[in-house]
Amino acid sequence: NAGVTQTPKFRILKIGQSMTLQCTQDMNHNYMYWYRQDPGMGLKLIYYSVGAGITDKGEVPNGYNVSRSTTEDFPLRLELAAPSQTSVYFCASRGPTRNQPQHFGDGTRLSIL
Amino acid sequence: ELKVEQNPLFLSMQEGKNYTIYCNYSTTSDRLYWYRQDPGKSLESLFVLLSNGAVKQEGRLMASLDTKARLSTLHITAAVHDLSATYFCAVDISKETSGSRLTFGEGTQLTVNP
Repeated sequence: NAGVTQTPKFRILKIGQSMTLQCTQDMNHNYMYWYRQDPGMGLKLIYYSVGAGITDKGEVPNGYNVSRSTTEDFPLRLELAAPSQTSVYFCASRGPTRNQPQHFGDGTRLSIL
Repeated sequence: ELKVEQNPLFLSMQEGKNYTIYCNYSTTSDRLYWYRQDPGKSLESLFVLLSNGAVKQEGRLMASLDTKARLSTLHITAAVHDLSATYFCAVDISKETSGSRLTFGEGTQLTVNP
């Protein structure tokens, strides 16, 4: 059982480039999330989705976009990368009730130079 | 705006000792989560606390929730080196139908020394 899978694991971008961080889960979870974690800090919510076709902004959405065309996949798009977006990005998913914890992927370490 | 504060942020302790990590939050909530993160790794769920007075224990870790005081504690008993990690609390104030949006504390970096 793979759980939440993120690709790539590491990436270096130049300022102004764009890229998509991939996230897929095989647990049939409706709820999916994207977080960023800056060094020595807790996680901050970027975007989340309560099901296919439904997304909403979190705490720090500027500079990012998401889509949710299937239950399994929740890609995060960075347009015009900036140094401030250097971070570790985590995708998570959760089952149908709030009594369940979120399950996290292994993260994507992104540096923008 | 919800604020979640952990205390202490850094904790160095000897094996065999006991200690408590505190998690205070600023807005009413009845759901709080504790996660563990090893260096360079993902987050692992430790506890889900669902109501006032909830207490959960797993091995040398015990977590509790006081919703009236807006306080959760993570107590470590007879620490061992394997418990060295960063511990995060996360609070959920979202409505039942909106998918739990968690606000995380800054984390407590625990080092257990021989």
